[in-house]
Amino acid sequence: EVQLVESGGGLVQPGGSLRLSCAASGFTFSSDWMYWVRQAPGKGLVWVSRIKSDGTITNYADSVKGRFTISRDNAKNTLYLQMNSLRAEDTAVYYCARNRDFKFDYWGQGTLVTVSS
Amino acid sequence: QSALSQSASVSGSPGQSITISCTGTSSDVGGFNYVSWYQQHPGKAPKLMIWDVTKRPSGVSNRFSGSKSGNMASLTISGLQAEDEADYYCSSYTTSSSTPWVFGGGTKLTVL
Repeated sequence: EVQLVESGGGLVQPGGSLRLSCAASGFTFSSDWMYWVRQAPGKGLVWVSRIKSDGTITNYADSVKGRFTISRDNAKNTLYLQMNSLRAEDTAVYYCARNRDFKFDYWGQGTLVTVSS
Repeated sequence: QSALSQSASVSGSPGQSITISCTGTSSDVGGFNYVSWYQQHPGKAPKLMIWDVTKRPSGVSNRFSGSKSGNMASLTISGLQAEDEADYYCSSYTTSSSTPWVFGGGTKLTVL
């Protein structure tokens, strides 16, 4: 059974940092592109970042470029999102998701990040 | 890349059919057959309901169907049931290398 389990969310002050993790199991993690998608309270889904299966290609939404860094450890079956210089508008539930054959077929349960003083 | 356009809400009675539309551009919905639909219940993660415009994952009811015409994709739910009440999001692959995926703003389905 495919499982994605996020962790690392919490309350952080503006300008602070957090690192999110997503532990994957039930599939060959090193074969798939992985994504972070976020959802602000009461709002829709927004793509944040993605990383190729071998980690050689990464992309970011303009809103987080230069502040967030996506990475993965295929030996540990874990996806990461390092978030620096956090802003109030980064407040959201962050989901990791597997993208296989042009679809987001599995999602984690999400981890809430709240940026507030 | 702007979000895909969805109506904010739709409603129907049990047993009826409803259609949710998703409007994009030739750079996303109109340019690829990589449109997918996701169902999200409150406090839960999104769930894949339709992919590649019309395909249904194993385990998803055949009451859910998808289609596309030009830059607009649609999700139809027939034989509405109470458990279908949820938010629905469309998504499409895009031509943009900086924003490879775009989502719709979501449609709230209310089963009356």
